[in-house]
Amino acid sequence: DVKVTQSSRYLVKRTGEKVFLECVQDMDHENMFWYRQDPGLGLRLIYFSYDVKMKEKGDIPEGYSVSREKKERFSLILESASTNQTSMYLCASSSGGEGTDTQYFGPGTRLTVL
Amino acid sequence: AQTVTQSQPEMSVQEAETVTLSCTYDTSESDYYLFWYKQPPSRQMILVIRQEAYKQQNATENRFSVNFQKAAKSFSLKISDSQLGDAAMYFCAYRRERWQSADDKIIFGKGTRLHILP
Repeated sequence: DVKVTQSSRYLVKRTGEKVFLECVQDMDHENMFWYRQDPGLGLRLIYFSYDVKMKEKGDIPEGYSVSREKKERFSLILESASTNQTSMYLCASSSGGEGTDTQYFGPGTRLTVL
Repeated sequence: AQTVTQSQPEMSVQEAETVTLSCTYDTSESDYYLFWYKQPPSRQMILVIRQEAYKQQNATENRFSVNFQKAAKSFSLKISDSQLGDAAMYFCAYRRERWQSADDKIIFGKGTRLHILP
Protein backbone atom coordinates (compact mmCIF):
# COMPACT_ATOMS: atom_id res chain seq x y z
CA ASP A 1 0.00 0.00 0.00
CA VAL A 2 1.08 3.52 -0.73
CA LYS A 3 1.89 5.44 2.38
CA VAL A 4 2.00 9.21 2.58
CA THR A 5 2.86 10.63 5.96
CA GLN A 6 2.86 14.18 7.27
CA SER A 7 5.00 15.34 10.14
CA SER A 8 2.20 16.66 12.35
CA ARG A 9 -1.56 16.19 12.61
CA TYR A 10 -2.03 19.42 14.56
CA LEU A 11 0.19 22.47 14.72
CA VAL A 12 -0.22 25.81 16.48
CA LYS A 13 2.07 28.69 15.55
CA ARG A 14 2.24 32.40 16.13
CA THR A 15 2.00 35.13 13.53
CA GLY A 16 5.36 35.79 11.93
CA GLU A 17 6.85 32.41 12.74
CA LYS A 18 8.50 30.30 10.05
CA VAL A 19 6.60 27.05 9.65
CA PHE A 20 7.73 23.80 8.04
CA LEU A 21 5.28 21.10 7.01
CA GLU A 22 6.90 17.86 5.97
CA CYS A 23 5.53 15.14 3.74
CA VAL A 24 7.09 11.77 2.97
CA GLN A 25 5.92 9.08 0.57
CA ASP A 26 7.27 5.56 0.33
CA MET A 27 6.26 4.51 -3.18
CA ASP A 28 8.93 6.19 -5.30
CA HIS A 29 6.33 8.52 -6.79
CA GLU A 30 7.45 11.21 -9.19
CA ASN A 31 4.80 13.78 -8.36
CA MET A 32 4.05 15.38 -5.02
CA PHE A 33 1.49 18.03 -4.16
CA TRP A 34 0.52 20.42 -1.40
CA TYR A 35 -3.12 21.41 -1.07
CA ARG A 36 -4.97 23.65 1.27
CA GLN A 37 -8.49 22.62 2.31
CA ASP A 38 -10.98 25.18 3.64
CA PRO A 39 -14.72 24.78 4.24
CA GLY A 40 -16.74 25.73 1.18
CA LEU A 41 -13.63 26.12 -0.96
CA GLY A 42 -12.65 22.49 -1.45
CA LEU A 43 -9.04 21.67 -2.20
CA ARG A 44 -6.80 24.33 -3.64
CA LEU A 45 -3.39 23.49 -5.02
CA ILE A 46 -0.52 25.46 -3.50
CA TYR A 47 2.52 23.91 -5.17
CA PHE A 48 3.48 20.67 -6.81
CA SER A 49 6.67 18.96 -7.85
CA TYR A 50 7.19 16.48 -10.68
CA ASP A 51 10.81 15.71 -9.93
CA VAL A 52 13.53 16.32 -7.39
CA LYS A 53 14.38 20.00 -7.15
CA MET A 54 11.56 20.83 -9.56
CA LYS A 55 8.51 22.79 -8.47
CA GLU A 56 5.54 24.45 -10.06
CA LYS A 57 3.16 26.99 -8.62
CA GLY A 58 -0.41 25.94 -8.17
CA ASP A 59 -3.44 28.16 -7.77
CA ILE A 60 -2.52 29.87 -4.49
CA PRO A 61 1.28 29.96 -4.03
CA GLU A 62 1.47 33.38 -2.40
CA GLY A 63 2.95 33.23 1.09
CA TYR A 64 4.30 29.72 0.59
CA SER A 65 7.43 28.09 -0.73
CA VAL A 66 8.43 24.45 -1.15
CA SER A 67 11.49 22.29 -1.16
CA ARG A 68 12.12 18.89 -2.70
CA GLU A 69 15.69 17.80 -2.14
CA LYS A 70 14.89 14.09 -2.14
CA LYS A 71 12.34 12.21 -4.19
CA GLU A 72 10.40 10.94 -1.20
CA ARG A 73 10.15 14.23 0.68
CA PHE A 74 8.27 17.42 -0.13
CA SER A 75 8.26 20.29 2.31
CA LEU A 76 5.90 23.24 2.49
CA ILE A 77 7.30 26.39 4.08
CA LEU A 78 5.43 29.35 5.43
CA GLU A 79 8.12 32.03 5.63
CA SER A 80 6.12 34.28 7.94
CA ALA A 81 2.89 32.69 9.08
CA SER A 82 -0.25 34.79 9.08
CA THR A 83 -3.69 34.15 10.54
CA ASN A 84 -5.22 33.71 7.08
CA GLN A 85 -3.00 30.66 6.64
CA THR A 86 -4.93 28.82 9.33
CA SER A 87 -6.19 25.80 7.45
CA MET A 88 -5.95 22.06 6.82
CA TYR A 89 -2.95 21.21 4.67
CA LEU A 90 -2.95 18.01 2.63
CA CYS A 91 -0.01 16.42 0.93
CA ALA A 92 -0.45 13.97 -1.94
CA SER A 93 1.70 11.96 -4.29
CA SER A 94 1.19 10.20 -7.60
CA SER A 95 3.23 8.02 -9.88
CA GLY A 96 3.31 10.53 -12.70
CA GLY A 97 3.45 10.21 -16.44
CA GLU A 98 0.51 9.09 -18.49
CA GLY A 99 -2.23 7.03 -17.07
CA THR A 100 -4.88 7.52 -14.47
CA ASP A 101 -2.38 9.11 -12.10
CA THR A 102 -4.33 8.49 -8.92
CA GLN A 103 -3.30 10.75 -6.09
CA TYR A 104 -2.61 9.28 -2.66
CA PHE A 105 -3.14 11.61 0.25
CA GLY A 106 -1.55 12.03 3.64
CA PRO A 107 -3.64 12.42 6.81
CA GLY A 108 -3.40 16.21 6.77
CA THR A 109 -1.98 18.83 9.10
CA ARG A 110 -4.39 21.19 10.77
CA LEU A 111 -2.45 24.42 11.23
CA THR A 112 -3.66 27.19 13.49
CA VAL A 113 -1.87 30.54 13.37
CA LEU A 114 -2.56 32.77 16.35
CA ALA B 1 -10.23 26.29 -18.20
CA GLN B 2 -11.61 23.12 -16.79
CA THR B 3 -14.04 23.31 -13.88
CA VAL B 4 -15.73 20.78 -11.63
CA THR B 5 -19.04 21.57 -9.96
CA GLN B 6 -20.71 19.74 -7.11
CA SER B 7 -24.05 21.40 -6.60
CA GLN B 8 -24.98 19.64 -3.35
CA PRO B 9 -22.94 20.91 -0.39
CA GLU B 10 -24.65 18.43 1.97
CA MET B 11 -26.85 15.37 1.66
CA SER B 12 -28.41 12.88 4.01
CA VAL B 13 -29.53 9.32 3.43
CA GLN B 14 -31.06 6.65 5.59
CA GLU B 15 -28.86 3.68 6.36
CA ALA B 16 -29.33 0.87 3.79
CA GLU B 17 -30.84 3.26 1.25
CA THR B 18 -29.32 4.42 -2.02
CA VAL B 19 -27.98 7.91 -2.60
CA THR B 20 -26.63 9.70 -5.66
CA LEU B 21 -24.09 12.53 -5.52
CA SER B 22 -23.96 14.85 -8.51
CA CYS B 23 -20.95 16.20 -10.34
CA THR B 24 -20.68 18.15 -13.57
CA TYR B 25 -17.54 19.34 -15.27
CA ASP B 26 -16.52 21.52 -18.12
CA THR B 27 -13.73 20.70 -20.53
CA SER B 28 -12.91 20.91 -24.21
CA GLU B 29 -10.75 17.79 -24.00
CA SER B 30 -11.88 14.42 -25.31
CA ASP B 31 -9.49 12.28 -23.26
CA TYR B 32 -9.48 12.66 -19.51
CA TYR B 33 -10.05 10.92 -16.20
CA LEU B 34 -12.68 11.45 -13.56
CA PHE B 35 -12.42 10.49 -9.93
CA TRP B 36 -14.47 10.35 -6.77
CA TYR B 37 -12.51 10.73 -3.55
CA LYS B 38 -13.83 10.14 -0.04
CA GLN B 39 -12.62 11.96 3.07
CA PRO B 40 -14.05 10.50 6.30
CA PRO B 41 -14.05 12.73 9.38
CA SER B 42 -10.48 13.13 10.67
CA ARG B 43 -9.21 10.49 8.30
CA GLN B 44 -7.22 10.31 5.12
CA MET B 45 -8.71 11.05 1.74
CA ILE B 46 -8.92 7.93 -0.38
CA LEU B 47 -9.89 7.14 -3.93
CA VAL B 48 -13.35 5.60 -4.27
CA ILE B 49 -13.67 5.12 -7.98
CA ARG B 50 -12.23 6.38 -11.26
CA GLN B 51 -13.42 6.50 -14.83
CA GLU B 52 -11.52 6.85 -18.08
CA ALA B 53 -13.42 9.07 -20.50
CA TYR B 54 -12.79 6.77 -23.46
CA LYS B 55 -14.62 3.94 -21.73
CA GLN B 56 -18.35 3.86 -22.27
CA GLN B 57 -18.93 1.36 -19.50
CA ASN B 58 -19.60 2.90 -16.12
CA ALA B 59 -17.06 2.05 -13.43
CA THR B 60 -18.19 0.01 -10.43
CA GLU B 61 -16.51 -0.77 -7.12
CA ASN B 62 -18.66 -2.94 -4.88
CA ARG B 63 -21.49 -0.69 -3.59
CA PHE B 64 -20.15 2.34 -5.46
CA SER B 65 -20.96 3.00 -9.10
CA VAL B 66 -20.91 5.96 -11.40
CA ASN B 67 -23.23 7.26 -14.08
CA PHE B 68 -20.90 8.78 -16.64
CA GLN B 69 -22.63 10.87 -19.29
CA LYS B 70 -19.86 12.23 -21.51
CA ALA B 71 -22.03 14.36 -23.77
CA ALA B 72 -23.73 15.96 -20.78
CA LYS B 73 -20.40 16.21 -18.89
CA SER B 74 -21.95 14.59 -15.90
CA PHE B 75 -20.33 12.13 -13.48
CA SER B 76 -22.57 11.13 -10.59
CA LEU B 77 -21.71 8.68 -7.82
CA LYS B 78 -24.28 6.18 -6.60
CA ILE B 79 -23.85 4.53 -3.23
CA SER B 80 -26.06 1.50 -2.70
CA ASP B 81 -26.99 0.01 0.67
CA SER B 82 -25.53 3.01 2.51
CA GLN B 83 -23.56 2.23 5.65
CA LEU B 84 -22.58 4.39 8.60
CA GLY B 85 -18.97 4.20 7.43
CA ASP B 86 -19.93 5.94 4.20
CA ALA B 87 -20.38 9.22 6.09
CA ALA B 88 -17.72 11.52 4.66
CA MET B 89 -16.95 14.43 2.42
CA TYR B 90 -16.93 13.32 -1.20
CA PHE B 91 -14.93 15.13 -3.84
CA CYS B 92 -15.35 14.81 -7.57
CA ALA B 93 -12.16 15.41 -9.56
CA TYR B 94 -11.01 15.73 -13.16
CA ARG B 95 -7.67 15.36 -14.90
CA ARG B 96 -6.83 15.53 -18.57
CA GLU B 97 -5.09 12.45 -19.91
CA ARG B 98 -1.64 13.77 -20.61
CA TRP B 99 0.55 15.28 -17.91
CA GLN B 100 2.66 17.85 -19.68
CA SER B 101 2.53 21.07 -17.80
CA ALA B 102 1.29 22.86 -14.74
CA ASP B 103 -2.14 23.05 -16.38
CA ASP B 104 -2.52 19.29 -16.14
CA LYS B 105 -3.15 19.16 -12.43
CA ILE B 106 -6.17 17.44 -10.96
CA ILE B 107 -9.11 19.78 -10.48
CA PHE B 108 -11.37 19.12 -7.52
CA GLY B 109 -14.95 20.12 -6.87
CA LYS B 110 -15.85 21.80 -3.58
CA GLY B 111 -17.19 18.60 -2.09
CA THR B 112 -20.46 17.11 -0.85
CA ARG B 113 -20.79 16.18 2.81
CA LEU B 114 -22.79 12.98 3.13
CA HIS B 115 -24.59 12.13 6.38
CA ILE B 116 -25.87 8.62 7.03
CA LEU B 117 -28.94 8.48 9.27
CA PRO B 118 -29.25 5.35 11.45
